[in-house]
Amino acid sequence: AQSVTQLGSHVSVSEGALVLLRCNYSSSVPPYLFWYVQYPNQGLQLLLKYTSAATLVKGINGFEAEFKKSETSFHLTKPSAHMSDAAEYFCAVSFGGYQKVTFGTGTKLQVIP
Amino acid sequence: DADVTQTPRNRITKTGKRIMLECSQTKGHDRMYWYRQDPGLGLRLIYYSFDVKDINKGEISDGYSVSRQAQAKFSLSLESAIPNQTALYFCATSDFPSGGVSYNEQFFGPGTRLTVL
Repeated sequence: AQSVTQLGSHVSVSEGALVLLRCNYSSSVPPYLFWYVQYPNQGLQLLLKYTSAATLVKGINGFEAEFKKSETSFHLTKPSAHMSDAAEYFCAVSFGGYQKVTFGTGTKLQVIP
Repeated sequence: DADVTQTPRNRITKTGKRIMLECSQTKGHDRMYWYRQDPGLGLRLIYYSFDVKDINKGEISDGYSVSRQAQAKFSLSLESAIPNQTALYFCATSDFPSGGVSYNEQFFGPGTRLTVL
């Protein structure tokens, strides 16, 4: 069965510092992978997705993620954190078709001025 | 704009009451889902529907039921609410393009915050 693990339920970074949020998946074949962001009192919106094309995926708001099959990882990065990046981030995995999507437990990002 | 809407946005109810949460979408997607979000647990799937005639249980369906009234409408009911059903509930949709690839990218509504006293 597919699963996804997000390391660190809370991450704090200083404004302007690198953001790194970790996601590892477990499956026997490469899945489709997603990062979603949830701002306070809002629903989830898609940041970016990996669909087996380019391994380095660029998303909205300056975020990007790299699919590494050998490490079964899909970590989310942003070179310079902004106060507006404070939110909860969810990694998710899917095999498409009639398969369900499995979400990680989320990482709350705090940006310190 | 094509969208996913949920009503109500907030609801406070008492133990034992029947509650219905409603979801409507204008995206034209066939697939609809209900999730609940609890702190530290992420999103867990309650029920999902791949088309109007298809209803499937998710990982935490006990105590819940659903109705798919039309392609655009998917309702979640709590027959007899209990305090541990206090959570944030999300409806989502996804597309399955004919002849194309389905990634199951989820499009979420704004959520319903339910409190059961």
